[in-house]
Amino acid sequence: EDKVVQSPLSLVVHEGDTVTLNCSYEVTNFRSLLWYKQEKKAPTFLFMLTSSGIEKKSGRLSSILDKKELFSILNITATQTGDSAVYLCAVEKDGDYKLSFGAGTTVTVRA
Amino acid sequence: DVKVTQSSRYLVKRTGEKVFLECVQDMDHENMFWYRQDPGLGLRLIYFSYDVKMKEKGDIPEGYSVSREKKERFSLILESASTNQTSMYLCASGEYQTDEAFFGQGTRLTVV
Repeated sequence: EDKVVQSPLSLVVHEGDTVTLNCSYEVTNFRSLLWYKQEKKAPTFLFMLTSSGIEKKSGRLSSILDKKELFSILNITATQTGDSAVYLCAVEKDGDYKLSFGAGTTVTVRA
Repeated sequence: DVKVTQSSRYLVKRTGEKVFLECVQDMDHENMFWYRQDPGLGLRLIYFSYDVKMKEKGDIPEGYSVSREKKERFSLILESASTNQTSMYLCASGEYQTDEAFFGQGTRLTVV
């Protein structure tokens, strides 16, 4: 059975801190790993990772995939209150249409 | 911008009622999905559709059915709502294996 596990489940930080979120997976025929940010309702896309060791970066957010150890990390530097959200990790399999999601990590950034 | 629209933001229904959740996308995507989201469980796939009139069961299809009569519209049906179907329901659409799925705003369904 496919598994996507995120850790921690939740964390609270202060503005300016750096946050590291983890996503480990066990799936057959892995194709890609995706990160989403969910603030109120709809998850919004952050990154898609397919190749091991290549960092994707967008402003203060970055992510990297390790296909050997089967995990990904999402980093947020210099956090702001607007980074408060649930961060979701999802895995896509080759030859499949659907995404398998982890439970999410709730990040709360305090001013 | 891709838009995925769910017909209701909040719904309250009684146990045993038949409930329809509607989702419309405007990007001509082949694939559409229905997820439910519960605390600590993440998003779980209920059903998905890869073409008009085609549907596949996801991980938790029991108690649900779907309909896709037109490419842009994907409906989730709760044949006889039960309290354990109280949840946030998210619709998504996307192209076959071309990265992200686009999500609707969600429908918070409460079954009393």
